[in-house]
Amino acid sequence: QSALTQPRSVSGSPGQSVTISCTGTSSDVGAYNYVSWYQQHPGKAPKLMLYDVTKRPSGVPDRFSGSKSGNTASLTISGLQAEDEADYYCCSYAGSYTLIFGGGTKVTVL
Amino acid sequence: QVQLQESGPGLVKPSQTLSLTCTVSGGSISSTSYYWSWIRQPAGKGLEWIGRIYISGSTNYNPSLKSRVTISVDASKKQFSLNLSSVTAADTAVYYCAREGLTTGNFDYWGQGTLVTVSS
Repeated sequence: QSALTQPRSVSGSPGQSVTISCTGTSSDVGAYNYVSWYQQHPGKAPKLMLYDVTKRPSGVPDRFSGSKSGNTASLTISGLQAEDEADYYCCSYAGSYTLIFGGGTKVTVL
Repeated sequence: QVQLQESGPGLVKPSQTLSLTCTVSGGSISSTSYYWSWIRQPAGKGLEWIGRIYISGSTNYNPSLKSRVTISVDASKKQFSLNLSSVTAADTAVYYCAREGLTTGNFDYWGQGTLVTVSS
C-alpha cells in the first residue's frame, strides 16, 4: 500500500475556493465510495470534515464539499476563511478491511 | 460527549515493545456501532492507519505493520490497547486513538495524541 497522492500545498485568498485532490488507484479510491477528509491544525488531533465522499458530519460548514471521479477524490473549500488554514488529509478504504491515508495538503489563506 | 485519552510510556528502547492504552469516556466502548482504532503520525509527516478492533475482539491491521501489531480491548475498563513489537526509530510518532464508525474510515472522535520516542 502506497499513500494516496495529494498536492503538498494549495493556497487562496479569503472568499475564494480551493480544491484539494486525492489520487489513488482502482483498488482503493476508485473501487469504493469510502473516502473521508480530515482537517488538522498544528499540534491538534485531526477533525473529520467529510466521509463517504460527500457527507458532512454535524457542525461542519457546508463550505466544505466532496466529490469523486475515477481514482481521484476531491475536497473543495468554498468561501475560504482564515480558520481554514490547516493541513488536510484524505483517507480511503483499500479493501480487505484496511485503510490508507494521503500524504497531506497544507492549505494557506493568503 | 465521547472522549478518548491515550496513555503509556513516552520513551521506548529500540527492539522493545511499545504499549499504549486508550481510555474511552462519555460513550460505550461496548457499542456495536463502532470500531476502535489506532493511527500514528511521525513529526512533520502524514497520518498512518495502524489498525482497529471491534467489541467482539475482531481485529484488522495495516499490512505493513501486521507482523508487529496487536490491538486488544478490555470493555470492563473501557479501554483498548496497542502493542507494537520490535520498535525502531522509524516508529517514533504521535500515536492517536480514535473511534471509527462502521462506515469505514469515518473517525469521528480522536484522542489528543501521545508522543512516543524510540531511542536508547
